[in-house]
Amino acid sequence: QKEVEQNSGPLSVPEGAIASLNCTYSDRVSQSFFWYRQYSGKSPELIMSIYSNGDKEDGRFTAQLNKASQYVSLLIRDSQPSDSATYLCAVTLNTGFQKLVFGTGTRLLVSP
Amino acid sequence: NAGVTQTPKFRILKIGQSMTLQCTQDMNHNYMYWYRQDPGMGLKLIYYSVGAGITDKGEVPNGYNVSRSTTEDFPLRLELAAPSQTSVYFCASSVQGVTPYGYTFGSGTRLTVV
Repeated sequence: QKEVEQNSGPLSVPEGAIASLNCTYSDRVSQSFFWYRQYSGKSPELIMSIYSNGDKEDGRFTAQLNKASQYVSLLIRDSQPSDSATYLCAVTLNTGFQKLVFGTGTRLLVSP
Repeated sequence: NAGVTQTPKFRILKIGQSMTLQCTQDMNHNYMYWYRQDPGMGLKLIYYSVGAGITDKGEVPNGYNVSRSTTEDFPLRLELAAPSQTSVYFCASSVQGVTPYGYTFGSGTRLTVV
């Protein structure tokens, strides 16, 4: 089982719709969870972090965490074509040095 | 602030050649990292450093070396380039381990070994 799993996509949504991106992780004691956005040919950019069960909202983005199910998701409301990118889920592993482990990313396509 | 600066942006190497990927940050971050990203494979940690003079291996260190003589600089050395090292390399930094602010990434170096 991979440490962090994401569906590679592409996930296609029309402009204005809600995009839902999902991520599961294997380490039950993971404490920190992040979503990064990566445009083609660019470096990852942090868009959300979440540490506690429940929802965290920031503008059009909502991160949801369920530690019991080892599941974290990212909702993008009112999706725009500029949201088209690959979204990377990253999770800390509780192995002394709390390194980030990245999923392979989900490609999101928002059509006008 | 420039953030994390990587040079060069692109490089083509022949098998067996050596090179150094440069990384410097001006945010006074303690922690620095080198990742490689292959298509469909996500980001893999090569080496990391928790401060000047301290480095440690990540998941895929073979074929690479690093040094950290100052807080600002964290160069990655490839001694004998192999086609398997064709990848995009990202340097990143953070204040201390994993923080609410995550990692700040450089713009990347696209390396091709032929």
